Amino acid sequence: AQKITQTQPGMFVQEKEAVTLDCTYDTSDPSYGLFWYKQPSSGEMIFLIYQGSYDQQNATEGRYSLNFQKARKSANLVISASQLGDSAMYFCAMREHFSGAGSYQLTFGKGTKLSVIP
Amino acid sequence: DGGITQSPKYLFRKEGQNVTLSCEQNLNHDAMYWYRQDPGQGLRLIYYSQIVNDFQKGDIAEGYSVSREKKESFPLTVTSAQKNPTAFYLCASSMGDDTDTQYFGPGTRLTVL
Repeated sequence: AQKITQTQPGMFVQEKEAVTLDCTYDTSDPSYGLFWYKQPSSGEMIFLIYQGSYDQQNATEGRYSLNFQKARKSANLVISASQLGDSAMYFCAMREHFSGAGSYQLTFGKGTKLSVIP
Repeated sequence: DGGITQSPKYLFRKEGQNVTLSCEQNLNHDAMYWYRQDPGQGLRLIYYSQIVNDFQKGDIAEGYSVSREKKESFPLTVTSAQKNPTAFYLCASSMGDDTDTQYFGPGTRLTVL
């Protein structure tokens, strides 16, 4: 079974509108971290936002917020007031806190390509 | 400016040749990582290192080798044993704190001719 699932291969959003990118995850570890990265066409992975499994509040970072629903195992990224520069691939990733080998490994989803329309 | 540098940006090699990809960071991070990305896919972990002179295999280590002689440097060698080496390679580092966020370099695109 996939540990990180991003069901939207591509999304379109009108400039200045908000958009939600979906991410569901699967883990039996009670302590884990969830990340969102942006990858523009240049290829570099840019860290956007982090949510810890024990965090009580949803993470926010500027125009980015993470809609964390622990019981549903979902960690959707919300981008408010979309800009043309937001057009990119977006990846959800999870780090599980297992001890021993592999404890620092991130597992990535396959990504969602977001296109912002003027 | 603190950051992660990877060189070269584009690399071409002939089949049967080994090639080494450079990764340097001046963030004073303890941990470093190498990932491979194929078209339309997420990242897959090749190797990671939590401290100098120590490293562990990731999910797809076969055909690759690494070294970690200095904290700042984590070079990746793609050997001739790697069956399908054409891909985008990303290096990352992290501090090892509570969030242990990984920060990435700009990547190297390797093409085998």
